[in-house]
Amino acid sequence: GENVEQHPSTLSVQEGDSAVIKCTYSDSASNYFPWYKQELGKGPQLIIDIRSNVGEKKDQRIAVTLNKTAKHFSLHITETQPEDSAVYFCAALNQAGTALIFGKGTTLSVSS
Amino acid sequence: NAGVTQTPKFQVLKTGQSMTLQCAQDMNHNSMYWYRQDPGMGLRLIYYSASEGTTDKGEVPNGYNVSRLNKREFSLRLESAAPSQTSVYFCASSGVQAGTQYFGPGTRLLVL
Repeated sequence: GENVEQHPSTLSVQEGDSAVIKCTYSDSASNYFPWYKQELGKGPQLIIDIRSNVGEKKDQRIAVTLNKTAKHFSLHITETQPEDSAVYFCAALNQAGTALIFGKGTTLSVSS
Repeated sequence: NAGVTQTPKFQVLKTGQSMTLQCAQDMNHNSMYWYRQDPGMGLRLIYYSASEGTTDKGEVPNGYNVSRLNKREFSLRLESAAPSQTSVYFCASSGVQAGTQYFGPGTRLLVL
């Protein structure tokens, strides 16, 4: 079935360092890849997304890259801050275009 | 503009009891979704509704039913709760089926 693998499951960085989270997807027909941030006790919130017609997208300290040939995409956070500490989920739209398939999440801890 | 709202925030049930989780959105979105989130499992789709009057099964529909009451509201019902249904339940909506999904704050359900 359709699957999204996400690595690492936990990531600890020092404030100011960069963080990279990687995901691979199984369905080559997927064409939409969002990233969500979930803070403790809250619902996931979209932070950035990318469609298959572009290879990279940036929004201030956050960027996402997509390699369709290899079927993987990554989230890059630069100059990390303690408030970036959260669980991050990647997702890919399923082949039918009806639902998102989520990775299992990465817990990012940024220490000051 | 509240976005996606869910009630209740927290519920404790005994095995065999029934309950309905409520979800409403005020963004005039066509599509709505119910997910469950379990530790280390990411978010898994239970049911979705692509438009008013339609519902479809997701990855883990067993033990649940849904009703798309109108464009705004999408409810999830547990007819006979089981301890395996202890989870955090999230409702989401999107303007178009393959578009950005916006999540509610979640309902934490404990089944004893």
